[in-house]
Amino acid sequence: GQNIDQPTEMTATEGAIVQINCTYQTSGFNGLFWYQQHAGEAPTFLSYNVLDGLEEKGRFSSFLSRSKGYSYLLLKELQMKDSASYLCAVMDSNYQLIWGAGTKLIIKP
Amino acid sequence: DAMVIQNPRYQVTQFGKPVTLSCSQTLNHNVMYWYQQKSSQAPKLLFHYYDKDFNNEADTPDNFQSRRPNTSFCFLDIRSPGLGDAAMYLCATSRDSGGANEQFFGPGTRLTVL
Repeated sequence: GQNIDQPTEMTATEGAIVQINCTYQTSGFNGLFWYQQHAGEAPTFLSYNVLDGLEEKGRFSSFLSRSKGYSYLLLKELQMKDSASYLCAVMDSNYQLIWGAGTKLIIKP
Repeated sequence: DAMVIQNPRYQVTQFGKPVTLSCSQTLNHNVMYWYQQKSSQAPKLLFHYYDKDFNNEADTPDNFQSRRPNTSFCFLDIRSPGLGDAAMYLCATSRDSGGANEQFFGPGTRLTVL
């Protein structure tokens, strides 16, 4: 079967750095996406990785290792507005997105 | 601004009473998706269209149907809603179906079944 694993919940402090991990087992791989979802709202796109390595976009970075079936999302200089769920999704060989259940990130002052 | 619009934002229906959710897009994207998302769970893909080519996920219940009359609009029909169908329903679009085609989501319709 296809599976995406992420921690259910994480807590971090305003101004700090947090790393949210994602491991996956899918039938084929055509890229990995990270989305942010605030409570009661729709997901919004953060990043896309298809090659190994780190993609940096402002305070957010995303890393991929295809051989390990592993990705992480790194959030720097945390702000209260970063409190949200972060969803990892992998595009499989049929170009279907397989979604994780999301990691709820709680930011404390 | 180009966007994905869903109406209504909140829908209350009675057990067994049919309901239709609507989605429109001004992005001129080829692909449209309907997802069901329950609290603290991953979005579950119900249907997607590549242009007018309809794709039904294997485990989507027969109670759910969809229509895409043109490029801009897509509808989700729930023929006989049950209590287990209470969820957020998300419409999304993407320019194409492969590779680095991120999905753009509408704000969602939260369905309550009484």
